[in-house]
Amino acid sequence: KAGVTQTPRYLIKTRGQQVTLSCSPISGHRSVSWYQQTPGQGLQFLFEYFSETQRNKGNFPGRFSGRQFSNSRSEMNVSTLELGDSALYLCASSFFREGGNEQFFGPGTRLTVL
Amino acid sequence: DQQVKQNSPSLSVQEGRISILNCDYTNSMFDYFLWYKKYPAEGPTFLISISSIKDKNEDGRFTVFLNKSAKHLSLHIVPSQPGDSAVYFCAASEGNNDMRFGAGTRLTVKP
Repeated sequence: KAGVTQTPRYLIKTRGQQVTLSCSPISGHRSVSWYQQTPGQGLQFLFEYFSETQRNKGNFPGRFSGRQFSNSRSEMNVSTLELGDSALYLCASSFFREGGNEQFFGPGTRLTVL
Repeated sequence: DQQVKQNSPSLSVQEGRISILNCDYTNSMFDYFLWYKKYPAEGPTFLISISSIKDKNEDGRFTVFLNKSAKHLSLHIVPSQPGDSAVYFCAASEGNNDMRFGAGTRLTVKP
């Protein structure tokens, strides 16, 4: 099976711009989660989508949004970029099952805001 | 609100010795715990997990211990190998709610 893919891998934007990141989950996985990783902060949960619906949401401002398509592919959008948004954005997919499940991560998109 | 904490940002051990990575959590409702390993320029990869009904889970050189009363889990790697050098993240979730990650511990295994 192909793994989780994320595009683009690297992105440079300037303050005030917006950006859209894409994630294709493993085939058959219907849950997609997004995380922001910054040095010393670990992985901060952004949101999770399941069957095109946002199921969980982290503590990020409304500038961060996402969506999921019927084929489970997901996009994340950040509007009005700030310098502090520079980070590695990771997408993870999982196969829903009761009792907890491991997530499979993509390689991430490295976003730099100048 | 850091519900999952890894208080040691780094750990260095000699090849062949045991590596012990620690993780503490505050939410007593967490019932599923995982460890991930991350190499530079790659996403985290799942290593091992444990549910709250167990106190130990073993997979080859990797063993995870869970102490629910202390809200503490640890990952033991025996014997440690240079290829184990990576950043290790502890994660926890309650049912199918969002997963919370620690800040990570960078493990360096010296030959």
